[in-house]
Amino acid sequence: QVQLVESGGGVVQPGRSLRLSCVASGFTFRSYGMHWVRQAPGKGLEWVAVIWYDGSDKYYADSVKGRFTISRDNSKNTLSLQMNSLRAEDTAVYYCARGNTAMLNALDYWGQGTLVTVSS
Amino acid sequence: AIQMTQSPSSLSASVGDRVTITCRASQDIRNDLGWYQKKPGKAPKLLIFAASSLQSGVPSRFSGSGSGTDFTLTISSLQPEDFATYYCLQDYNYPRTFGQGTKVEIK
Repeated sequence: QVQLVESGGGVVQPGRSLRLSCVASGFTFRSYGMHWVRQAPGKGLEWVAVIWYDGSDKYYADSVKGRFTISRDNSKNTLSLQMNSLRAEDTAVYYCARGNTAMLNALDYWGQGTLVTVSS
Repeated sequence: AIQMTQSPSSLSASVGDRVTITCRASQDIRNDLGWYQKKPGKAPKLLIFAASSLQSGVPSRFSGSGSGTDFTLTISSLQPEDFATYYCLQDYNYPRTFGQGTKVEIK
């Protein structure tokens, strides 16, 4: 069965960096685009970033552009999100999700999320 | 970026009620829209893709309609497990954008 397991969350001071990972299993990881989506406490869902199945293209939300970098290692079935210059408003649960081209790139599987808290 | 406007932001309904949630896009997005259910402490769940296609395993009481700029999610007979927050997400272009959510509460 498809599984996505995020890790790397924690408490970090403003201005510092953190790297999130998402390990995929149960499907051919290298064939799917992958996304990060976040939800701040008490707020709605916010799309963060996407990376093409082969890593050839990436897009970001304006709120994280220039600070966050999405990447993947298809040999290790792993998706990553490098988060630099973190701000209090980046505090959120971060989810990785699979984009399914057969469903017009809808996000059909999600991990359980990892909490990032940016606080001094 | 495309703006997605959902309404209402919250609603109260009873078990067995018919519930309708709407989502309006700031430009034509064809049928490139999905609906997601979010419960506290749980991962979001895809309900509908391509505006009207039911995701495998999702009960048939959920349905989606619309194209262009106006979309609707309907729950034909609300069940206890349906109390949650619902989001639309445009899949037309990047950056992807969610609606602000509709919280469905028990009346």
